[in-house]
Amino acid sequence: GESVGLHLPTLSVQEGDNSIINCAYSNSASDYFIWYKQESGKGPQFIIDIRSNMDKRQGQRVTVLLNKTVKHLSLQIAATQPGDSAVYFCAERSGTGANNLFFGTGTRLTVIP
Amino acid sequence: EPEVTQTPSHQVTQMGQEVILRCVPISNHLYFYWYRQILGQKVEFLVSFYNNEISEKSEIFDDQFSVERPDGSNFTLKIRSTKLEDSAMYFCASGGEQRLSSYEQYFGPGTRLTVT
Repeated sequence: GESVGLHLPTLSVQEGDNSIINCAYSNSASDYFIWYKQESGKGPQFIIDIRSNMDKRQGQRVTVLLNKTVKHLSLQIAATQPGDSAVYFCAERSGTGANNLFFGTGTRLTVIP
Repeated sequence: EPEVTQTPSHQVTQMGQEVILRCVPISNHLYFYWYRQILGQKVEFLVSFYNNEISEKSEIFDDQFSVERPDGSNFTLKIRSTKLEDSAMYFCASGGEQRLSSYEQYFGPGTRLTVT
């Protein structure tokens, strides 16, 4: 079955620094990926997505990079702010036609003021 | 901004009882999902629903679970006879028309189910 995992369970960064959160996936057929942010007691909040035919996509202060060769996904957050403190999950769509997402275990980002 | 809503926010029930978790997806969305998250663990897919029928379900979604879209706005998850291990946060999600290979899913705030 699909497997999405994260390299680091926790990440602490100084306010204003850039953050990089990594994710490895095992299903080479996965065709779509999403990064979600989850704050305590809340549901996952959509941040940014990327299709498998792209290798980079930028949003507001966030960039997602996809390296299909090594099955690696990263989320870069520029000028990290205290409000960015949360757990970040990557999720993948399997590419079999099913729309359900498979989530990684999450990385807790802590921003130090 | 439209959002997915869920009720109740917290449900406490005794083992063996039936529970119904309710969701109102984003109004023009066509795809509906239930996921769950056991405390401290990752989010797990349960079931997806499209065109008034289940399109995919996971191994977790056994005969004790059912989903329904009783009207044009609500989407429900029923657990017939709850077990202790059903205690988790249950998230509803919805997604719109799939265009340009975009399969965004927007999540509700969740219902915390506690089975005692």
